[in-house]
Amino acid sequence: DAKTTQPNSMESNEEEPVHLPCNHSTISGTDYIHWYRQLPSQGPEYVIHGLTSNVNNRMASLAIAEDRKSSTLILHRATLRDAAVYYCILRRSGYSTLTFGKGTMLLVSP
Amino acid sequence: EPEVTQTPSHQVTQMGQEVILRCVPISNHLYFYWYRQILGQKVEFLVSFYNNEISEKSEIFDDQFSVERPDGSNFTLKIRSTKLEDSAMYFCASSEGTGQRGYTFGSGTRLTVV
Repeated sequence: DAKTTQPNSMESNEEEPVHLPCNHSTISGTDYIHWYRQLPSQGPEYVIHGLTSNVNNRMASLAIAEDRKSSTLILHRATLRDAAVYYCILRRSGYSTLTFGKGTMLLVSP
Repeated sequence: EPEVTQTPSHQVTQMGQEVILRCVPISNHLYFYWYRQILGQKVEFLVSFYNNEISEKSEIFDDQFSVERPDGSNFTLKIRSTKLEDSAMYFCASSEGTGQRGYTFGSGTRLTVV
């Protein structure tokens, strides 16, 4: 599986935007970029995914670099409920396995 | 919003005993998964299940583990003879398809082997 690299932790203030980076320099053409998050004591939760174009949904936006070697998850206005571990995962089309890394722990301060 | 339901939320068992963890995936999903997370560690893939058979499994999923879809709604993980190192959170998940689809995870079953 292609590997992703994320910062161990990031901090944000409530109601400010948060940009969570992910590097995936060995990504292949059939890899989708998925983001999940895990709130304390809960199961992982799907956030967003994309292939080449930027994507928006009700939870977040995903900005994908033109060469696809990096991406950024954008939370437009962080809330205390967004404090979680965020995982950037490459998922090859046609394969079902998700390989979780350590992710980025996002701390949100009031 | 549709949910993946797991029962029980917490199970304590003696070493060597068999346990069955139960999951009800989302009804129109076709792919089912088990993952586990040992306390303080990464979420690890165990097995995926499609069309009534295992499609992928990890090295963790050895002969002590089995999965079954006994009816149209339940998906179970059985551990035949539990070991202390099986203590973990076990997450069930389901998805409509592969690759470009997101999974929906359940809230997990905390298994404690004593």
